[in-house]
Amino acid sequence: DGGITQSPKYLFRKEGQNVTLSCEQNLNHDAMYWYRQDPGQGLRLIYYSQIVNDFQKGDIAEGYSVSREKKESFPLTVTSAQKNPTAFYLCASSIFVTGNTGELFFGEGSRLTVL
Amino acid sequence: GDSVTQMEGPVTLSEEAFLTINCTYTATGYPSLFWYVQYPGEGLQLLLKATKADDKGSNKGFEATYRKETTSFHLEKGSVQVSDSAVYFCALRSGSARQLTFGSGTQLTVLP
Repeated sequence: DGGITQSPKYLFRKEGQNVTLSCEQNLNHDAMYWYRQDPGQGLRLIYYSQIVNDFQKGDIAEGYSVSREKKESFPLTVTSAQKNPTAFYLCASSIFVTGNTGELFFGEGSRLTVL
Repeated sequence: GDSVTQMEGPVTLSEEAFLTINCTYTATGYPSLFWYVQYPGEGLQLLLKATKADDKGSNKGFEATYRKETTSFHLEKGSVQVSDSAVYFCALRSGSARQLTFGSGTQLTVLP
């Protein structure tokens, strides 16, 4: 079945370490997104990408980095520069075609805890 | 810029009660409107959507009508079940925007 796969589902990191969250989609979608969700709060956009080898910063990009070498993959690296990385991270994708409603399809999320 | 304002939670209802979660928006042009649902520990799932004024989106007994005159997209369900307990997010995409704008979410708990 088509969908978005995020891994790992749970991840623990020591302070000062970088960690990479994986996101793979087989929906043939052009656009991919990373959101951060904190307890009791909404979603905040970290980075998004509309095509391979191109991506843009969202509202809270500081301390994060991404790459888009393949259409199917959009990994997120949480660097040691991110001051408060403990959160639930959601990856999403969408078709981006003029006239399309452009709803997002989400993965199951990755919960990162910094010890 | 675009924004979405949702009714603050948490909302607690008894099973079979009527549900309304208010959502109003500010956007340029004619946005597409969405409701997403998030069950505990999971990602978001699209619940319903509407793309033009007076459209009604519906799914699983939930409904929402795109009201341009009041810039609203309130979520309703006539009889909630315990399994409806989740967080509900209202969202919009306006014009050629590259991403969705989300509300802050409303936690719903349904008691048996």
